[in-house]
Parts: sequence; C-alpha cells; structure tokens
Amino acid sequence: GIQVEQSPPDLILQEGANSTLRCNFSDSVNNLQWFHQNPWGQLINLFYIPSGTKQNGRLSATTVATERYSLLYISSSQTTDSGVYFCAVVDSGTYKYIFGTGTRLKVLA
Amino acid sequence: DTAVSQTPKYLVTQMGNDKSIKCEQNLGHDTMYWYKQDSKKFLKIMFSYNNKELIINETVPNRFSPKSPDKAHLNLHINSLELGDSAVYFCASSQGLFRGYTFGSGTRLTVV
Repeated sequence: GIQVEQSPPDLILQEGANSTLRCNFSDSVNNLQWFHQNPWGQLINLFYIPSGTKQNGRLSATTVATERYSLLYISSSQTTDSGVYFCAVVDSGTYKYIFGTGTRLKVLA
Repeated sequence: DTAVSQTPKYLVTQMGNDKSIKCEQNLGHDTMYWYKQDSKKFLKIMFSYNNKELIINETVPNRFSPKSPDKAHLNLHINSLELGDSAVYFCASSQGLFRGYTFGSGTRLTVV
C-alpha cells in the first residue's frame, strides 16, 4: 500500500522563524490534505490541496503530485502554531485514506 | 454554536462493557466519519457515511458498529470493550468525501 512519510518528525523553532514541513508519498494520489492538531488535541483541517499552491494567512501549501510530495510553509511562526501537523492522502488505486505520522512542532516564545 | 459535537468527552469503563459515543454536526454536510487516534498519535479512519449510507468500512473489529439515523448524526457503538480500544475517537464531517473536514473535539476512551 501507499506509504506517507513526513519530515522532519520533530521541529523546534523560535517565535518569528519560518519553517517548511514535507510530506512524501510513494504512489499516485487524488487527494491530499494538511491538518494541525493543537496541544489540546483539537484537529483542524488546514488545506485541501491535491495539486497546486494555496495560501491562508501565514500558512501556505504546495503539492507537486507528479513528484509525489507536498510542502507546508509556516511563516513568522507563533507559539499557537505548536502541535502536530499531519498530511493525509487518498491512494488513487485503492481509494484508501492514509495519514502520515506527523511533524511535531514546538514554537518557543 | 458547535459545528461538530461529540459526547461524551471522556469515557472510562471496564473491560467487557458496551458503550456508545454520539456525534452530531450542524453544518449540513453530507459525509461523516469516525477516526481513531492511538497513544502514539497515529490517526486511522474507521468508518465513513455519506447521506446515511456506509461507504468506508476499514478493517476494524466487528465489535465496532456505526449507526447513522440521519445525515446529521453518526454514532459509534462498541461492544465487549478491550484494553486495546483505549484511544481518542474523533468524529468529523465534510461536504463531499475527504474534503474540507471539520472535526469534533474527540472522545478519550479509557478501558480499565
């Protein structure tokens, strides 16, 4: 089945820094989403981005489906950005929905 | 006005018991889901309903039975609870399959 790998697994930043999180997938996908889980456990859908680039405030995401990766950019990070960031894909062959293992981000004040 | 609400938020129960978790969404979405997050934060889809019809049923024990009485509700019933069922269970909804999710706040189930 499709493999979804996220990197880095852990990231510590100083407030105000920028970061790039990566999601690699091993096969064709027809759906990709980014989620944020805050330290209190709440899950929020950030982007639905099977291809192309989208921006929402300080966050933006780019998916290059032909090269099987997606990037999530966080600019001018804030302590409220802390938490775990997940990508999830739908395998276009099996239609299985698979989450990556996440990137744990900690932003220090 | 909570968009996706789950009850209860916490559930502690003994092995062998039967329990239910309820989920309601007021977003008018046509698709609802149950996800399980284990202690290592790994998320996995369990079930998905579209307009009250089961469309995704991942490999979960048949002790887990979802029920969707209408488009706005998706409940999860678990029979004969086991220690390994301890996890956080998230309900979610979307308009269209796998698009623009809204999640509930989760139910932390602890089986003792």
